[in-house]
Order: sequence, then structure tokens, then C-alpha cells
Amino acid sequence: QSVLTQPPSVSGAPGQRVTISCTGSSSNIGAGSDVNWYQRLPGTAPKLLIYGSTNRPSGVPDRFSGSKSGTSASLAITGLQAEDEADYYCQSFDSSLSGSVFGGGTRLTVL
Amino acid sequence: EVQLAESGGGSAQPGGSLRLSCVASGFIFSNNAMTWVRQAPGKGPERVSGITGSGDSTYYADSVKGRFTISRDNSKNTVYLQMNSLRAEDTAVYYCARGRGSNRYNYYMDVWGKGTTVTVSS
Repeated sequence: QSVLTQPPSVSGAPGQRVTISCTGSSSNIGAGSDVNWYQRLPGTAPKLLIYGSTNRPSGVPDRFSGSKSGTSASLAITGLQAEDEADYYCQSFDSSLSGSVFGGGTRLTVL
Repeated sequence: EVQLAESGGGSAQPGGSLRLSCVASGFIFSNNAMTWVRQAPGKGPERVSGITGSGDSTYYADSVKGRFTISRDNSKNTVYLQMNSLRAEDTAVYYCARGRGSNRYNYYMDVWGKGTTVTVSS
């Protein structure tokens, strides 16, 4: 069981908008720790998608956006494309564990 | 181009040892914290160890504390992970990543290597 909870899978048709949730607790997201998101395409290394809860690194399309509220965070992907099909992971810091924690991951399927 | 390249993975028996290496290029290595993240089959990633740019501070997940040792050689742009007393549950792909952020609450990994596979089995 991961400290951060994500839905195992989400899906959407090309062009649609999907969101992936990341639910934490008062010892991580709720304590004010930033949430970061990573994308892992099949057979490749994870890639930073969102850092500091809402910031996109250079080169990441603005179709990807992050938000945070209370003990949860979300990743939104608009204008879904076939190449977005991947696993997505959230990550934050947990004060109780004194370490970074990840979600279990969400598999995005583009229909 | 910023790159990280891991090596040293392979098979080991329970109780055995392996040493992973990660060579960095394209950035000032000594100015950056480095971290090791692993992902076991069907599970989410786990940050197992980290080290500051100067090497004066390290982090270990409870699951590897006392068994794994992280170190770095800034003259060789290389970070290492010495893994001793290996267990079956250490089986995973191990990624080297560059750590960013001004404190542990905003820490993230912005560059990742392709990973090296560690299999612990008798």
C-alpha cells in the first residue's frame, strides 16, 4: 500500500480531458509538502512532468497541469493524444516517515 | 545534454552484494544532490537513498538502512549505491536521478537514468 493513493487506471478518447487524483494525508500533502508528477512511457525511465504542485519543466506541453487542495492533488491532461498513454506517478514528502513518498501509479489508456 | 547512466545491476543471491554506479554528464555534478529510486514489478517507485552535492549528508529509506550505502566521487561525476545483505524484496529496477529543491518538502527528481535491473533470488 502506497502512502499516496492514486486510481489504478483512467482512460479517455483523443482530444478529451482526463484527471488523475493523488490522495494523501495531513503528514504529507496536507502538511504543505509540494506534489510532483512523473510520466513513465512504456520501456522508458520516468520523466518529470510537474514540480512544485503546479509548475511545468521546460519542454512539457501546457496540456499538462497540476493542482493541489487540502490533502489531495490532481494532474489534468487536456487534448488527450495517443502518445500520452503511460503510467503516471505522484510524489511528495511525508513528515511522519521523514522521506519522499510516491503514489502507486495510474495507467492512462487513450481509447 | 544532461544524462545519467547506471550500471552494475545483475543477479545476486539472498545475502549477497552488488554495487551500482551512475555516471553523470552535461551538468556540474558537484553542485547537485543525487538520489536512487527503485521500482519493483507492479509497484510504485520508492526513493531508497540520496546524497547532497558535497556528500556531507545522506538519506536512506527504512527498508534499506544499515544495508545500503550511498557515496559519490565528484572527480569522476559518479554516484554509487553499495547494496549488502540483499533480500528478495530488493528486486527492482534501480534508477539514478538528480535531486532538486531547496528543502525536503519541495524535493523532486528532474533527470533520470534509464535504470539498471537488480534481481535477488536463490
